Amino acid sequence: GDSVTQMEGPVTLSEEAFLTINCTYTATGYPSLFWYVQYPGEGLQLLLKATKADDKGSNKGFEATYRKETTSFHLEKGSVQVSDSAVYFCALDSRGNEKLTFGTGTRLTIIP
Amino acid sequence: DVKVTQSSRYLVKRTGEKVFLECVQDMDHENMFWYRQDPGLGLRLIYFSYDVKMKEKGDIPEGYSVSREKKERFSLILESASTNQTSMYLCASSSRGYEGYTFGSGTRLTVV
Repeated sequence: GDSVTQMEGPVTLSEEAFLTINCTYTATGYPSLFWYVQYPGEGLQLLLKATKADDKGSNKGFEATYRKETTSFHLEKGSVQVSDSAVYFCALDSRGNEKLTFGTGTRLTIIP
Repeated sequence: DVKVTQSSRYLVKRTGEKVFLECVQDMDHENMFWYRQDPGLGLRLIYFSYDVKMKEKGDIPEGYSVSREKKERFSLILESASTNQTSMYLCASSSRGYEGYTFGSGTRLTVV
């Protein structure tokens, strides 16, 4: 079945550091890929998405590129801020049925 | 501001009780979903619905049922609550051909 594997957390970085959160997947066909973010005390919000190979999703300074050859969708940001502290979830939809499979989440803490 | 509203933020129930978790969306979305979120396990799909009076089992439906009598409302029912159902429950909705889910803020349920 479909699955998403994220790097283990928690991740702690200093402000303005470079961020990478790894995400790899197993799925049938050609899935759509997503990153969601959950700020403390809130529900999840869509951060970015990519629907086909080599697409790059971007939002709020975050980027992720759909790599079919490595089945990966790593999240990156060049300079993180304290306000980026949250839990980040990678997810996929492999059958176009609008039903998402999520990874376990990666907790990110940015210290000033 | 469009939203998904979950009726309770925190809930404490006794073992064996019948528990209702309510979710209402105001975006006229066709699709609605119930997930539970547990540390280290990410989000797991319990039930979902693509239309009124329609429901389908997700990955972990045991011990749960759902009701969708109106398009905007999707209720999750714990028939006889057990301590292993202590969790954060997240409701989400999306439109067909969606641009991502919209999540509620979650209900943290404790079964004692």
